This record gives sequence, C-alpha cells and structure tokens, in this order.
Amino acid sequence: GAGVSQTPSNKVTEKGKYVELRCDPISGHTALYWYRQSLGQGPEFLIYFQGTGAADDSGLPNDRFFAVRPEGSVSTLKIQRTERGDSAVYLCASSLFPGGYEQYFGPGTRLTVT
Amino acid sequence: GQQVMQIPQYQHVQEGEDFTTYCNSSTTLSNIQWYKQRPGGHPVFLIQLVKSGEVKKQKRLTFQFGEAKKNSSLHITATQTTDVGTYFCAGPPSGGSNYKLTFGKGTLLTVNP
Repeated sequence: GAGVSQTPSNKVTEKGKYVELRCDPISGHTALYWYRQSLGQGPEFLIYFQGTGAADDSGLPNDRFFAVRPEGSVSTLKIQRTERGDSAVYLCASSLFPGGYEQYFGPGTRLTVT
Repeated sequence: GQQVMQIPQYQHVQEGEDFTTYCNSSTTLSNIQWYKQRPGGHPVFLIQLVKSGEVKKQKRLTFQFGEAKKNSSLHITATQTTDVGTYFCAGPPSGGSNYKLTFGKGTLLTVNP
C-alpha cells in the first residue's frame, strides 16, 4: 500500500518568506507526527496530532511554526517569516494508534532558506 | 529534558565483521525503538523493545533492552554492504507521553566490501 507522502520534496525560499509543507499519512492512521532533522542529528519532535487536534505541540521552536490537520488526515506545517536556521529536512510520520506503535516516516521535505 | 546518547558516532567495518551500537537514555524509557536510515533516505522502523532485559533477534540483528530500561544495544553479525546506514534509537520517557520519541544522534555504519 501507499506509504506516507510529503510535498514538496525540496523547497528553497528566501529569508522572511512563508512556506507550507504538506504531509499525507497512511490511510487509517490516526496519529501524525512532524519532526525536524538537521544534518548529523536524529529527528527532533515538533508536534503530534491525534485525529484533528494537536495533542502536543511542545516541540515547535517558536510561534512562527504552526501545523494543522483539519480533517484528521492530511497535515500542513506552516512556517512564517522563515530564517536561515529553519533550514533542515522536515519529516512527517504516522502510526496506526498513538503511543508505543511503530512510526512510518515519509521521505521528508528539504527546506533551504537563503 | 530527556537526552538519548549513542556511541559510537561513526563505525567503519570490513564486510563480514560484526558491529555494535549502544544507546543510553538520561531517563527510564517506556520502550525503545530502533530505526535505520539509509543515506538520502528516511528513518525506517526496525524493532521495538518493551520489557526490561528483553532481547530480540532479526536474522543477523540482535537488539537488547537493559534491565533498568535506560540503555539498549544493536548488534549486527557478519555485516553486509546492505547494512550501510545510520542506526537510531528512540524512546519515550517512562510515565510520560508514550508517543513522544526522543532520538539519539545515531551511529553511521559504513561497510567496506
């Protein structure tokens, strides 16, 4: 079956611009996660959705970052006023149920802020 | 906050040699998960260990979870070139949000054919 998909695969933007990154989880998976991975580091938790609501957004770096999942499936990570330090690979993952279940990762979106 | 450390950071082996990576958490874990990320790829789930002292095997891979549930190891017997990649351990803190994985920095394994 289809895995987690993310678009775009690459995004280059200028400092100060707004970007949206999209994640399409595996069908039927209730839990959705966003991570950020910098070079040489492991994925860093950003936010977790159970259904439509953000159950835990404690990993979002600041209020420039926001994510939604309006219908409990597709999710969009939104970054306002991008900074060069936001450059990283943004990974989305989903799991059948939250907690203690394997997470299936998408291919990621490589964001470069110039 | 919770920290997960992995050693070594890098390991280069000749094909056929064994490989071990170690994972240590600053706090007790609810469970430990291992992921593999091929160069240019995304993390792929390998296994989850839940019980104290648990040992699981997958072909040439052996995973252990420490008695105190704060450390874990992955051992690969007779490495192959297909084993190349970065191996991450990750776990949620015990008694906390069991969906919230903290990842180590990973161990990058390269294999010389």
